[in-house]
Amino acid sequence: KAGVTQTPRYLIKTRGQQVTLSCSPISGHRSVSWYQQTPGQGLQFLFEYFSETQRNKGNFPGRFSGRQFSNSRSEMNVSTLELGDSALYLCASSSGMEQFFGPGTRLTVL
Amino acid sequence: DAKTTQPNSMESNEEEPVHLPCNHSTISGTDYIHWYRQLPSQGPEYVIHGLTSNVNNRMASLAIAEDRKSSTLILHRATLRDAAVYYCILFSGTYKYIFGTGTRLKVLA
Repeated sequence: KAGVTQTPRYLIKTRGQQVTLSCSPISGHRSVSWYQQTPGQGLQFLFEYFSETQRNKGNFPGRFSGRQFSNSRSEMNVSTLELGDSALYLCASSSGMEQFFGPGTRLTVL
Repeated sequence: DAKTTQPNSMESNEEEPVHLPCNHSTISGTDYIHWYRQLPSQGPEYVIHGLTSNVNNRMASLAIAEDRKSSTLILHRATLRDAAVYYCILFSGTYKYIFGTGTRLKVLA
């Protein structure tokens, strides 16, 4: 069974640009969550989608948004990038008690 | 959301047991206790979870205090591959995981 895949793995953007990250969950999983990991703040929950609906949201500004498609694939978008958005963005999928995390997308904002 | 408290770091010798503690004094009756670990340059991976009773799986054991205000993850024989950051998380039915700072486990050869 293939694991959670995230694309791209690495990304470099400049301030003010926008970025879209993609996550393909494990087949059959309908819940997809997104997390931001930085050295200073650790792992922070962004949002969770289930059957194309946002079910939970963390404390991030509106520049961070996401969506989920009918095949459970999910994307997150960050608009008007700031230097502080440089982080590892992790996606996780779940169908029960256990979350399966992808390898992450490393975003660097210059 | 209920929080957990863990020591920042611990050390263990290879082949010895490791007990990683976690305090969760504000746990509610329906919260599950989940443990994940994050190896270097990887996303977190599930280790074990429990509600009230102690649990065992191929990776580890989870000992839960009778009042459920604390728990301990037990690695029976630490190996170098177990060096990671271990997170204790309370799961209340949604995947809005609140990660603490975790415990960085160092395994000495």
